[in-house]
Amino acid sequence: SAVISQKPSRDICQRGTSLTIQCQVDSQVTMMFWYRQQPGQSLTLIATANQGSEATYESGFVIDKFPISRPNLTFSTLTVSNMSPEDSSIYLCSVDGGLVLFEQFFGPGTRLTVL
Amino acid sequence: DQQVKQNSPSLSVQEGRISILNCDYTNSMFDYFLWYKKYPAEGPTFLISISSIKDKNEDGRFTVFLNKSAKHLSLHIVPSQPGDSAVYFCAASVAGNTPLVFGKGTRLSVIA
Repeated sequence: SAVISQKPSRDICQRGTSLTIQCQVDSQVTMMFWYRQQPGQSLTLIATANQGSEATYESGFVIDKFPISRPNLTFSTLTVSNMSPEDSSIYLCSVDGGLVLFEQFFGPGTRLTVL
Repeated sequence: DQQVKQNSPSLSVQEGRISILNCDYTNSMFDYFLWYKKYPAEGPTFLISISSIKDKNEDGRFTVFLNKSAKHLSLHIVPSQPGDSAVYFCAASVAGNTPLVFGKGTRLSVIA
């Protein structure tokens, strides 16, 4: 199993600013995923990040708003740009590679509040 | 349009009794289903899964049932324990397409 850490665990930010969330994995993984969970909603995939290539964004999410870096096989960052209160969510990174098909390991999440 | 629905936001069960969490899906292409459990301030952790070629999968106290014709699956926990109190997410996938589609979750409270 993979152990995933995220920084920061939580933050309160002002409207119009940007926040970069870091995700560190204790082993090398091919695919990393970034999810958002808005209050009372399901986990929604933002993008898939593969090392050495551009991230693949899901419908409704764009690179200008959520730029992603994947500099190596154990690390990724997600930036939430030009934040508004609607961006207040829990942001989670995950990786695949469990023994069970499609099993993903999740980080603890970053709770973001935008004022 | 939500493809995976968990219509009960919360469920309360007495310790020792059975907990039944339900999940419905609309996309007939889904052929792999997973349940995740989430404690506060932690990420979701994998619990149990089922492929569409099966109608039941059991792992200890946890059993998942799949009814393909009804596009419905359920998670049974027997006997329920206070440590099972968490939010449970149902997730679905199309074979060969890794991204998971999640439901909104059901908060289970097991009362001692």
